Amino acid sequence: ELKVEQNPLFLSMQEGKNYTIYCNYSTTSDRLYWYRQDPGKSLESLFVLLSNGAVKQEGRLMASLDTKARLSTLHITAAVHDLSATYFCAVDATSGTYKYIFGTGTRLKVLA
Amino acid sequence: NAGVTQTPKFRILKIGQSMTLQCTQDMNHNYMYWYRQDPGMGLKLIYYSVGAGITDKGEVPNGYNVSRSTTEDFPLRLELAAPSQTSVYFCASSYSRGAPNEQFFGPGTRLTVL
Repeated sequence: ELKVEQNPLFLSMQEGKNYTIYCNYSTTSDRLYWYRQDPGKSLESLFVLLSNGAVKQEGRLMASLDTKARLSTLHITAAVHDLSATYFCAVDATSGTYKYIFGTGTRLKVLA
Repeated sequence: NAGVTQTPKFRILKIGQSMTLQCTQDMNHNYMYWYRQDPGMGLKLIYYSVGAGITDKGEVPNGYNVSRSTTEDFPLRLELAAPSQTSVYFCASSYSRGAPNEQFFGPGTRLTVL
């Protein structure tokens, strides 16, 4: 059974600081997705990582994928308050089936 | 495009009642999904569909049923509602051919079973 774990679960950080969120998964997969959820809202797609070594960047967020280590990271550079949200990674449970298993989520709070 | 729409937005059910949560997408996506999200938790896959007429169980299918008679619609049926089904339900869709297959989510249905 595929397990997807994120850490930390909660993260409180000061504006301007850098931090990394980790997503570990337990079985082989070459597709990994990052989503953002604002409180009381739905999820929106941030990044799609489709191969080993893939790196995507959007603004202050950068995501990477290491399929050999079964690890993805979401790096936050110079955090701002608007990045406060919950971030989820999701993995294709069996490669190519599009049956996604979500991680536990990381609740990020950026303090002004 | 309206994207993924869900109705109702909110609903309160009594134990033992039944209801159908509606989900429609207008992006011609072949894959559709139902998730539940309990307070402060991640998403759990209930059922998914790879196309009209084809459905399969996810992680937590017990107490739910689905059907997919058209590409656009993927209703979720709750039979004999129980308090454990109190949750926020999200419908999502994705396209499996060529595109990166990211999921697009509906706004959610907040369900309370009393």
